[in-house]
Amino acid sequence: QVQLVQSGTEVKKPGASVRISCRTSGYTFTDHYIHWVRQAPGEGLKWLGWINISGGDTNYVGGFQGRLTMTRDTSINTAYLDVTSLTSDDTATYYCARLLIAAGGPFDHWGQGTLVSVSS
Amino acid sequence: SYVLTQPPVLSVAPGQTARMTCGGDFIGSKSVHWYQHKAGRAPVLVVYDNSDRPSGIPERFSGSNSGNTATLSISRVEAGDEADYYCQLWDTGSDYRVFGGGTKLTVL
Repeated sequence: QVQLVQSGTEVKKPGASVRISCRTSGYTFTDHYIHWVRQAPGEGLKWLGWINISGGDTNYVGGFQGRLTMTRDTSINTAYLDVTSLTSDDTATYYCARLLIAAGGPFDHWGQGTLVSVSS
Repeated sequence: SYVLTQPPVLSVAPGQTARMTCGGDFIGSKSVHWYQHKAGRAPVLVVYDNSDRPSGIPERFSGSNSGNTATLSISRVEAGDEADYYCQLWDTGSDYRVFGGGTKLTVL
């Protein structure tokens, strides 16, 4: 069965960086884009961007001033999200999600979420 | 960018039908997806492409989309349906995916 398993909770200080991994199994990794979504405490879901696993190209939501980087390692079926220059506003649970084939399709499988806490 | 508007809360008695709306300009021309999100868990896709249900989702969950409003309906509501529900679509102009603000469903 399709599974997306994310790395564990991270506690960071302001200004630091964090890398979140999303290890996939149960399907052909290169057949599906991976998207990243976050939810800050008390807020709704916010889409962050996508990575084309096959070609490696990416698209990021605006407003992060280049602080987001999405990459993948096809040899181990894993996608990564790097967030740099962390502030308390980046405290959130981060999810990876698999996009069903069509560009306008839904996110049919999600990781379990990774809590990132940023505090001095 | 494209904006999706959802009422923040909805309360429904057990056994009744919950209807959650998602408003957007000409949303009826787009494919809308709905997710159920319970605290501490990953979101779950409950309706996609306006009205299709993934395997394993009960028939009690249904969707429609017309004009400027998409709707997720849950019939015969149960206590286990309490969750936040989000609509989502692809904004082709920006190639962004957009979520609504979410509706918190409370079962009385």
